[in-house]
Amino acid sequence: EIVLTQSPGTLSLSLGERATLSCRAGQTVSSNQLAWYQQRPGQAPRLLIYGASIRATGIPDRFSGSGSGTDFTLTISRLEPEDVAVYYCQRSGTSFGQGTKVEI
Amino acid sequence: EVQVVEAGGGLVHPGGSLRLSCSGSGFTFSGHWLNWVRQAPGKGLEWLGSINQYGSERHYIESVKGRFTISKDDAENSLSLQMDSLRVEDTGVYYCARGGLPFAFDIWGQGTMVTVSS
Repeated sequence: EIVLTQSPGTLSLSLGERATLSCRAGQTVSSNQLAWYQQRPGQAPRLLIYGASIRATGIPDRFSGSGSGTDFTLTISRLEPEDVAVYYCQRSGTSFGQGTKVEI
Repeated sequence: EVQVVEAGGGLVHPGGSLRLSCSGSGFTFSGHWLNWVRQAPGKGLEWLGSINQYGSERHYIESVKGRFTISKDDAENSLSLQMDSLRVEDTGVYYCARGGLPFAFDIWGQGTMVTVSS
């Protein structure tokens, strides 16, 4: 089983700052099989990025995904209050990373 | 509007059974992979299993194999999760999610809470 490890566990930043979230896989993951989700407090998860770098419908362009092989990154260019959430990466439509909490 | 809605959660004793359902609208179940995802209280997301658009292929994580069964009824546009031999560690919010994009879940329900406790 390919394990996804996300870091950091918690990211504390100020409004307008850049957030960089990491997702590392134990083995190579095909780029088209890596997705990112946002889960705001008390809400269901929401798809942000699929195929490692493709924004889902309606996702603001301050969210971007990059990476390949075993190292993937989700970047939020300028933090907004509504970005407070836990962010999860997922591989191959199956297992998830443990999540990174973004707080302001 | 494209959406899915889960139902059927509740309190069950260890060793008991429960059947969750997920009803969809705005799209046809026969056109997509469908998934169940669980979230234990205060914990992260855990993919439990999936069923393909034809109903001919199912996948499960090891910890629920032989205890949980995913099925669907395309005519009713509904998905089910039959959970048997429930354990305390099965407690959590259960989400139904559509695999509407390659290897990604684009539509999620609001979840239904399952509590396994004596």
